[in-house]
Amino acid sequence: NAGVTQTPKFQVLKTGQSMTLQCAQDMNHEYMSWYRQDPGMGLRLIHYSVGAGITDQGEVPNGYNVSRSTTEDFPLRLLSAAPSQTSVYFCASSPTWVQPQHFGDGTRLSIL
Amino acid sequence: KQEVTQIPAALSVPEGENLVLNCSFTDSAIYNLQWFRQDPGKGLTSLLLIQSSQREQTSGRLNASLDKSSGRSTLYIAASQPGDSATYLCAVSGDYKLSFGAGTTVTVRA
Repeated sequence: NAGVTQTPKFQVLKTGQSMTLQCAQDMNHEYMSWYRQDPGMGLRLIHYSVGAGITDQGEVPNGYNVSRSTTEDFPLRLLSAAPSQTSVYFCASSPTWVQPQHFGDGTRLSIL
Repeated sequence: KQEVTQIPAALSVPEGENLVLNCSFTDSAIYNLQWFRQDPGKGLTSLLLIQSSQREQTSGRLNASLDKSSGRSTLYIAASQPGDSATYLCAVSGDYKLSFGAGTTVTVRA
């Protein structure tokens, strides 16, 4: 049972480049979410999904896109990377939004 | 907008001492409150979840209380051990979202 798997673990981008952070879970969870964690701040919600085909914005959605074509996968796309998007990104899943969330180990992203 | 605050930001105690971690939130219309542990370079691990109708929840040496009307929760860790050294975060849920505090980093000295 792999839980929540995030790839890549580390990535360096140049300003203006685009990329996709991958997130997959094998627990058949309906609710999935993406957060960013910056020093001295709590996790901030970027986007979330309550099931396949349904996504919505969180607290800091600008510059990011998501889609949920399957229950298992919830990729996060950076459209045109900016230095302000340098952060650690976490993906999480849970059976429903009110149940304990399972987190991946994160993707550490640096944008030069 | 929900604001979640954790004070202090860091805490250092000798082994065996009881730990008291505080969490406060501004909007009492929450569905539940969760406490998480985060080890360096790792993701978050859920420790306890308290429903809004509950006053406390216990798991082993961990006990969490919730006073929704005053917007406060406290995590107690009894007889701390060096292995308890980590960052502890609280999060409140409402409207399909979790709002996190910045965390308290705990160091337990052997």
